[in-house]
Amino acid sequence: TQLLEQSPQFLSIQEGENLTVYCNSSSVFSSLQWYRQEPGEGPVLLVTVVTGGEVKKLKRLTFQFGDARKDSSLHITAAQTGDTGLYLCAGDRDTGRRALTFGSGTRLQVQP
Amino acid sequence: EPEVTQTPSHQVTQMGQEVILRCVPISNHLYFYWYRQILGQKVEFLVSFYNNEISEKSEIFDDQFSVERPDGSNFTLKIRSTKLEDSAMYFCASRPGTPTREYFGPGTRLTVT
Repeated sequence: TQLLEQSPQFLSIQEGENLTVYCNSSSVFSSLQWYRQEPGEGPVLLVTVVTGGEVKKLKRLTFQFGDARKDSSLHITAAQTGDTGLYLCAGDRDTGRRALTFGSGTRLQVQP
Repeated sequence: EPEVTQTPSHQVTQMGQEVILRCVPISNHLYFYWYRQILGQKVEFLVSFYNNEISEKSEIFDDQFSVERPDGSNFTLKIRSTKLEDSAMYFCASRPGTPTREYFGPGTRLTVT
């Protein structure tokens, strides 16, 4: 069974602070995706990283895929209250299974 | 952007009843999935479907579960005899091919009483 461990599970910070969320596995993934999920809704894709060492930026969010394609990080600069939510990483093995393995999620609360 | 749709948004049923959750994947997609998320827990893979058959299923997807694509547009998940522990959000997803991203529907909240 492939596992994706996310840390921290919960994070409460003040507006303007920086934060990093980590997603780690012992398995190699062909790609890794980051989602944001609001209560009662489906996951919404933020970014897909494919190449080992790849860095992608989405405004104040920076995503990195580890060189060995086993881990990833999400860094948010100058967090805003609108960043509050559940952040999920999901790995794609691109094998016959062709389905995603989700991490347990990081619940972020940004206080004004 | 095209969307995956799911109905109903919320289903309440009594233990032992059969439920059918419906999904309309994006029209040119080839791979279809069901996931579930028990309240406060991670999103878990249930089953993947390709070329009109199940391509993979998890240990959660036991004999009580079945999937169908009856008419080329709908993709359904049936639970034959619901249990309390089946209460969860059920998400349908589809993708045009691999390796491409999956598109998730908004989910159906199933409550078994």
